[in-house]
Amino acid sequence: GENVEQHPSTLSVQEGDSAVIKCTYSDSASNYFPWYKQELGKGPQLIIDIRSNVGEKKDQRIAVTLNKTAKHFSLHITETQPEDSAVYFCAASANAGKSTFGDGTTLTVKP
Amino acid sequence: DSGVTQTPKHLITATGQRVTLRCSPRSGDLSVYWYQQSLDQGLQFLIQYYNGEERAKGNILERFSAQQFPDLHSELNLSSLELGDSALYFCASSVVKGDTDTQYFGPGTRLTVL
Repeated sequence: GENVEQHPSTLSVQEGDSAVIKCTYSDSASNYFPWYKQELGKGPQLIIDIRSNVGEKKDQRIAVTLNKTAKHFSLHITETQPEDSAVYFCAASANAGKSTFGDGTTLTVKP
Repeated sequence: DSGVTQTPKHLITATGQRVTLRCSPRSGDLSVYWYQQSLDQGLQFLIQYYNGEERAKGNILERFSAQQFPDLHSELNLSSLELGDSALYFCASSVVKGDTDTQYFGPGTRLTVL
C-alpha cells in the first residue's frame, strides 16, 4: 500500500520567514495530494490541495509543489504569522481511494 | 466550520466500558471515515463507509466496530475500553470529484478512559 513520509517533524521559524514542509510518497498511482492544518483541540482543516496533472498551486501565502517523477510534494508558507502555528499533515490518495497521511509537522512561528 | 458534526465533544468513562461516538457527514457526502489520534500522534485510519457499506478497513481493533445508517450518519462503537484507547477520534466525510476524494474533518470526540 501507499506510504507517505513527512519531514521535518518539528519546524520553528521567525515571524515573516518562510516555512517548507516536504512529503514523499511511494505509490506512483497516487494522483491527489491535500494538505491539512490542525490547530490545538480542533479537527484537521483542508488548506490546499493539488492534483497530479498540476505542478504547482498557490493560494495567497500558501503554495504546494508536486514532482511526480521524484514522488514528492511540498508545502510552502511565506511571510509566516503566529497564527500559522499548528500541526500540518500531508496526504496522498489514488483514484478517489482512501488517503494515507504523513505523521505531521508541528510548526511554531515565533513573534 | 467543515459541516461535519460529531457528538459528544468529550467523553470520560472507565476501563471495561462501552461507548458510542456519532458522526453526521456534510450534506450530500456519501463517504465517512473514522480516525484515531493519540497524544502527539498522527492520524490512524480506522475504517471507511460509503453509502452504508464498509469500503476500507485500517488498523481497527476487534473491540471497535462501526456502521453507517440509511440517513448516512455513522457511529463508532468502542467496547471493553482500555486506558490506551484514550485519544481523539475524528470522523471525516468526503465528496468524490472525478478521480479525487476530498475529506472534510469534524471537530472530534475526546475520549478519556480512567
